[in-house]
Amino acid sequence: EADIYQTPRYLVIGTGKKITLECSQTMGHDKMYWYQQDPGMELHLIHYSYGVNSTEKGDLSSESTVSRIRTEHFPLTLESARPSHTSQYLCATSTGGGNIQYFGAGTRLSVL
Amino acid sequence: AQSVTQLGSHVSVSEGALVLLRCNYSSSVPPYLFWYVQYPNQGLQLLLKYTSAATLVKGINGFEAEFKKSETSFHLTKPSAHMSDAAEYFCAVSEDRGSTLGRLYFGRGTQLTVWP
Repeated sequence: EADIYQTPRYLVIGTGKKITLECSQTMGHDKMYWYQQDPGMELHLIHYSYGVNSTEKGDLSSESTVSRIRTEHFPLTLESARPSHTSQYLCATSTGGGNIQYFGAGTRLSVL
Repeated sequence: AQSVTQLGSHVSVSEGALVLLRCNYSSSVPPYLFWYVQYPNQGLQLLLKYTSAATLVKGINGFEAEFKKSETSFHLTKPSAHMSDAAEYFCAVSEDRGSTLGRLYFGRGTQLTVWP
């Protein structure tokens, strides 16, 4: 069954640590996205990719980086986590012109 | 850029009552419009999508939404609420149809509570 996998689901870490949030998909989709979600706020697009070797920053200023070496894998890295990074991070994919995005279950990050 | 306004961050209804969740978008050219649902500790799941084929769009779980160009609205309704409908609902609007990214702009969400 085609799906989008995000790991870990929950992560509690200390300030200054380097972390990587994983996103893998078996949908075969070319476009992938990372969103930051906070309670009562819009989903903010922080990174996106059109395909392999394509990465772009979204609207929200983010200290994270992403890579897209393989179609199915789109990891997000924080070099030095801070309490302001505490949030839920959602990965999504899409393809074609229909604009439907499919979401993973998310990673809830807490930085102490 | 597009924007979406969801009126009411919280809506409470009794089981069996009508559900109405409001969404207005800002655009002179009707783009694609979506409603997503998010259950606790899960990602967003597509409820329905408007593509201009019909102004009344039927989705999963008995939900439907009506596109009204003159009001720039895309309100979500369900005739009879069920306890399992309790979740957060997000309205989203796409970029122009010519966009290759397929970017979506989301509202702030409406938390639906269903009382027994």
